[in-house]
Amino acid sequence: DVKVTQSSRYLVKRTGEKVFLECVQDMDHENMFWYRQDPGLGLRLIYFSYDVKMKEKGDIPEGYSVSREKKERFSLILESASTNQTSMYLCASSYRDRGPFFGPGTRLTVL
Amino acid sequence: DQQVKQNSPSLSVQEGRISILNCDYTNSMFDYFLWYKKYPAEGPTFLISISSIKDKNEDGRFTVFLNKSAKHLSLHIVPSQPGDSAVYFCAASTWNSGNTGKLIFGQGTTLQVKP
Repeated sequence: DVKVTQSSRYLVKRTGEKVFLECVQDMDHENMFWYRQDPGLGLRLIYFSYDVKMKEKGDIPEGYSVSREKKERFSLILESASTNQTSMYLCASSYRDRGPFFGPGTRLTVL
Repeated sequence: DQQVKQNSPSLSVQEGRISILNCDYTNSMFDYFLWYKKYPAEGPTFLISISSIKDKNEDGRFTVFLNKSAKHLSLHIVPSQPGDSAVYFCAASTWNSGNTGKLIFGQGTTLQVKP
């Protein structure tokens, strides 16, 4: 079974804090993605990566950065968390032309 | 600019009946479509997909229909079961980009199946 794990299920941070969300996949997938899910907006792509050390902006990259130093690990960084970044964050991985497999999500609350 | 739209935020059906979830898209370059199911506090799980070279794909109780001329797809669940109660997302991609993992999602439809 494909497994995508995220470091935290729930996270509470203060405005201005630097936040790291970690994602690990165990299927040697080339592609990894970070989405956020908000009510009424569906899932929106923040960043994606097709290879180690490679990244591309998605539809809403502002306020976020990413790191992919190893194939299995893709990190999302909120440089200075703000209340409008309170959301459900979903990591996913995929192989070439297959639809992505998602992790369980991290519910982030920024106070 | 919402390229993939699910205009019904919610749907309620009786157990055993058919559930029909709809999805519209605007970008004619989309050529690969997927449906995901999501329970609360869990990540979305893949349900079924369809390529634009087909107009129908079936997997057990789930069938996806694609109408390219109308830029419309639908997911049929027959018969519906209480365990099908979840949020359903449709998603679209451009296969030729070589990276179909990059998906554009709709807003989601919450399906409730009543016993």
